[in-house]
Amino acid sequence: GQQVMQIPQYQHVQEGEDFTTYCNSSTTLSNIQWYKQRPGGHPVFLIQLVKSGEVKKQKRLTFQFGEAKKNSSLHITATQTTDVGTYFCAGGERGSTLGRLYFGRGTQLTVWP
Amino acid sequence: DAGVIQSPRHEVTEMGQEVTLRCKPISGHDYLFWYRQTMMRGLELLIYFNNNVPIDDSGMPEDRFSAKMPNASFSTLKIQPSEPRDSAVYFCASSFGGRAFFGQGTRLTVV
Repeated sequence: GQQVMQIPQYQHVQEGEDFTTYCNSSTTLSNIQWYKQRPGGHPVFLIQLVKSGEVKKQKRLTFQFGEAKKNSSLHITATQTTDVGTYFCAGGERGSTLGRLYFGRGTQLTVWP
Repeated sequence: DAGVIQSPRHEVTEMGQEVTLRCKPISGHDYLFWYRQTMMRGLELLIYFNNNVPIDDSGMPEDRFSAKMPNASFSTLKIQPSEPRDSAVYFCASSFGGRAFFGQGTRLTVV
C-alpha cells in the first residue's frame, strides 16, 4: 500500500537557525499537504501543493513538491520559538484530489531561545 | 463556522467499559475521517466516510472498534470493550476539496 515517509523524526535547533523536513512517497501523489500541530493541539492545515515542481512560500516557510510528485520538503528560515510543533506531510492518492490522505510520522521541531 | 466539534475532550474509563466518541463535521463537507494518535504509532487513519458511507475501515484495529455516520452532521466511534492499549488521542476530521479540518480531539485514557 501507499506509504509516506518523513524525516527527521526530531529536530532541535537554536532560534535563528534554519530547519528542513523531508517527505517521500512510495508512489506518485496527486497532491501533498502540510500540517502543523502545536504541543497539545490538533493538526492545522498549512498548504497544499498540486503541480509537479511547485514551490510556494508563506513568509519564512518554503514548500516544494518534487518533479516526480513523490517527494516534498518544508524549509523554515530563521526559526522562531513560535515555530515549535510537529510538522506533518500528507499525500493524496494519485488520480484524486479528494479523499483520504496518507500522513507521514511527522517531524517534531524544538526551538531553543 | 465552529469547525469540527468533538466530544468529550477527555475521557477516562475502566478497562472493559464501552466508550463512545462523537464528532460533528463542518457543514457541507463530504468526507469524514477518524484518526488515532499515539507516540508509538503516530497519526493512524482508522476509517473514513464519503457522503455518510464508510469507504475504508481497514485501519480499524479490531472488532472492538466500530464507527457510524447516520447523517451528514454526526459520527460516532465506539470501542467495546475498551482496553488500556486503546489509550490515545482520537481525532475526527472533515474535508471538502482535499484540505482536512481537524477537531480538537478526544484524549482517551483506559485504566
